[in-house]
Amino acid sequence: NAGVMQNPRHLVRRRGQEARLRCSPMKGHSHVYWYRQLPEEGLKFMVYLQKENIIDESGMPKERFSAEFPKEGPSILRIQQVVRGDSAAYFCASSVTGTGKAEAFFGQGTRLTVV
Amino acid sequence: DAKTTQPTSMDCAEGRAANLPCNHSTISGNEYVYWYRQIHSQGPQYIIHGLKNNETNEMASLIITEDRKSSTLILPHATLRDTAVYYCIVRGRDGNKLVFGAGTILRVKS
Repeated sequence: NAGVMQNPRHLVRRRGQEARLRCSPMKGHSHVYWYRQLPEEGLKFMVYLQKENIIDESGMPKERFSAEFPKEGPSILRIQQVVRGDSAAYFCASSVTGTGKAEAFFGQGTRLTVV
Repeated sequence: DAKTTQPTSMDCAEGRAANLPCNHSTISGNEYVYWYRQIHSQGPQYIIHGLKNNETNEMASLIITEDRKSSTLILPHATLRDTAVYYCIVRGRDGNKLVFGAGTILRVKS
């Protein structure tokens, strides 16, 4: 059973461009979480999605950021008009349910660099 | 979700047991205790979780006190590769997201 797959692993974007980060959950997992880790800082929750639904987006910046998890295909975190402050590692995790009982497994992350 | 308190850092000799404490005095009855670790800048790695009873898997043991206000993660034979930041997280039964604190930096030394 493959783990959580994120791609690309590294992404370089110029200021003002769009960044698209993909996350394929583990087989059988229908719950996805996105986290951001700024350099030398901790992991911050961004958004929690279930297939075709956003359940909790309390950690998402109000502008330029969006996330989706369609019925088919990976979850996408989209950042429009990137700025230098968006440079960070973005991790996604998946779980089989959204309850506290089920562990969540993380991918290896996408490292976004904005130049 | 209840907050947790962990020491900032700890050292452990290679081959010895590493005991990482966590206080969660405001935990409620339906909240789980989770442990993750992050090695360098890799993705967080799930270690173990529990509700009331002690738990053991191939990686570690989790000891939860009877009043559930604190717990200890035990790595029975620490190796250099166990050097990482260890996060203790309390997660509600319906809690959805994991909220990461600062964690404990564990340094395993030869």
